[in-house]
Amino acid sequence: DARVTQTPRHKVTEMGQEVTMRCQPILGHNTVFWYRQTMMQGLELLAYFRNRAPLDDSGMPKDRFSAEMPDATLATLKIQPSEPRDSAVYFCASGLPTGTDTQYFGPGTRLTVL
Amino acid sequence: AQSVTQLDSQVPVFEEAPVELRCNYSSSVSVYLFWYVQYPNQGLQLLLKYLSGSTLVKGINGFEAEFNKSQTSFHLRKPSVHISDTAEYFCAVRPGAGSYQLTFGKGTKLSVIP
Repeated sequence: DARVTQTPRHKVTEMGQEVTMRCQPILGHNTVFWYRQTMMQGLELLAYFRNRAPLDDSGMPKDRFSAEMPDATLATLKIQPSEPRDSAVYFCASGLPTGTDTQYFGPGTRLTVL
Repeated sequence: AQSVTQLDSQVPVFEEAPVELRCNYSSSVSVYLFWYVQYPNQGLQLLLKYLSGSTLVKGINGFEAEFNKSQTSFHLRKPSVHISDTAEYFCAVRPGAGSYQLTFGKGTKLSVIP
């Protein structure tokens, strides 16, 4: 049963610290998405990649957030420096941009910035 | 740009009763429509989707949805709910061509009462 995996599942950090979240997409999927979920804003798209190239990162605060895909099996989302308003659940999703058009979501990383 | 409105933030319903979760969308182009479910502390899982063809779409767990282009709606229904259906449900839309970005509604929390 192929799944998207995310690490860590939970992260508590202090304001100003760097946070790195990792995502392993389903093998063979060439599209990766990063979402942020908060009570106030709901689900927001931060960035997405196709074939490891960033296609759109307009949803990300550029001054502190960065997203990369060092290889086809790893996507990273970094926040530096972190702020309390970054507290949220961050989801990674992967998919194939053809056929079923389904995005498969990971379990999320719950980030708390104190 | 697209937008999604889920008209009810919370819907309580008794076990074995029918339920309808409402979703309206706005878009200047043709769209694909999706319903996702999120169980507590988990990622999102696809329930069903409308890409083209029959406007009545059947999904997993006995759910179905009907695409109504004139009313720009995509309401989710189930004739008889179970306790296990307690979760949050998200309606989402993406353009029918070009972009693979999903725009989500704010979600509807379905609570099934024994």
